[in-house]
Amino acid sequence: DQQVKQNSPSLSVQEGRISILNCDYTNSMFDYFLWYKKYPAEGPTFLISISSIKDKNEDGRFTVFLNKSAKHLSLHIVPSQPGDSAVYFCAATQGGSEKLVFGKGTKLTVNP
Amino acid sequence: GAGVSQSPSNKVTEKGKDVELRCDPISGHTALYWYRQSLGQGLEFLIYFQGNSAPDKSGLPSDRFSAERTGGSVSTLTIQRTQQEDSAVYLCASSKETGNNSPLHFGNGTRLTVT
Repeated sequence: DQQVKQNSPSLSVQEGRISILNCDYTNSMFDYFLWYKKYPAEGPTFLISISSIKDKNEDGRFTVFLNKSAKHLSLHIVPSQPGDSAVYFCAATQGGSEKLVFGKGTKLTVNP
Repeated sequence: GAGVSQSPSNKVTEKGKDVELRCDPISGHTALYWYRQSLGQGLEFLIYFQGNSAPDKSGLPSDRFSAERTGGSVSTLTIQRTQQEDSAVYLCASSKETGNNSPLHFGNGTRLTVT
């Protein structure tokens, strides 16, 4: 049973446009959400996070939106750059647990 | 380099053999995690160490899997009698402390192939 779902395995966007990566979760107890970015042959790197007490968190070109009622979050990247091309993983946890539950990832390609 | 270091980067082994994967966390990080990523899947939690506390082994898929962390630093993940379904990228991560304010820092992983 997949508790964190990233239904789009891939996404292609033109440089300068907005990239929107989506993530759905089923466990209503999740209260903290993170996005990680992964380049080939490297480990994931932390990108941005959001607590369930917020509905938006922004860091430069990256914004994460959380819709608790829909159990949905999204990562917006604007403007997209070719260097953003990577696999993006959504992750969730609950109650300060150290165990992150990851989605399967979405491969983003930003075309010059 | 101040990142998480994993060795070997690649390991090919025959079914039935034992393997050991090593992780050197970032100096000063008290928490250490093992995850694995099978082909086309997300990252799957395996085990978590925090300081001198008993490790959380709830993610280990079978008793063929074990891990230890010596001296609160280096960790070794051991897989006994490897099976083909063990083929995956094994990722180690560390964090400065527990809780939501300490993101995980991942190593580059060990790609294990069981033939």
